[in-house]
Amino acid sequence: DTGVSQDPRHKITKRGQNVTFRCDPISEHNRLYWYRQTLGQGPEFLTYFQNEAQLEKSRLLSDRFSAERPKGSFSTLEIQRTEQGDSAMYLCASRPRSGNTIYFGEGSWLTVV
Amino acid sequence: KNQVEQSPQSLIILEGKNCTLQCNYTVSPFSNLRWYKQDTGRGPVSLTIMTFSENTKSNGRYTATLDADTKQSSLHITASQLSDSASYICVVSWDYKLSFGAGTTVTVRA
Repeated sequence: DTGVSQDPRHKITKRGQNVTFRCDPISEHNRLYWYRQTLGQGPEFLTYFQNEAQLEKSRLLSDRFSAERPKGSFSTLEIQRTEQGDSAMYLCASRPRSGNTIYFGEGSWLTVV
Repeated sequence: KNQVEQSPQSLIILEGKNCTLQCNYTVSPFSNLRWYKQDTGRGPVSLTIMTFSENTKSNGRYTATLDADTKQSSLHITASQLSDSASYICVVSWDYKLSFGAGTTVTVRA
């Protein structure tokens, strides 16, 4: 069990560029979440997957954001045409099929300049 | 309005002292109440999970309590250590949905 892995840990990009973050959940965890967190705030829900199905997507996720989990294992979160307001930490979390504990990754910091 | 309110927003305590953090929630129904510790720049780490029928849960020097009738929870830190300096986040969950508080930032000083 290597924990939830996120890559890259830090990304600085120019406004208007596209960025993609990857999350590798704990092996055999079928449930996966993406959250966004800004300084001094709790995480905000972005989207939820159960296996490869995206079951819920927050209204926070504009059409510039898209998430996938094609084989029910790793997931990607893409932000197109980044804006300065997208600067935040993007957290991924996974949860086993049975069991209550939700495990978070270390997050991917995005800075849009 | 956030459905999970935490207080205080921040606090400073001396090493070795105890402190208690509060969490009030309006989320209903809920199945679990969780407390997480989040170090600056890191992902949250689970401290305790309680179902609606549990009143207390301990994890080392951390003790969480839950009063489902008043919809209040607290996290008590005993004999604080410098490594306890972090943000503590209260999370209420129902099915797969999680509602997060904004967190309480605890600073432990020597």
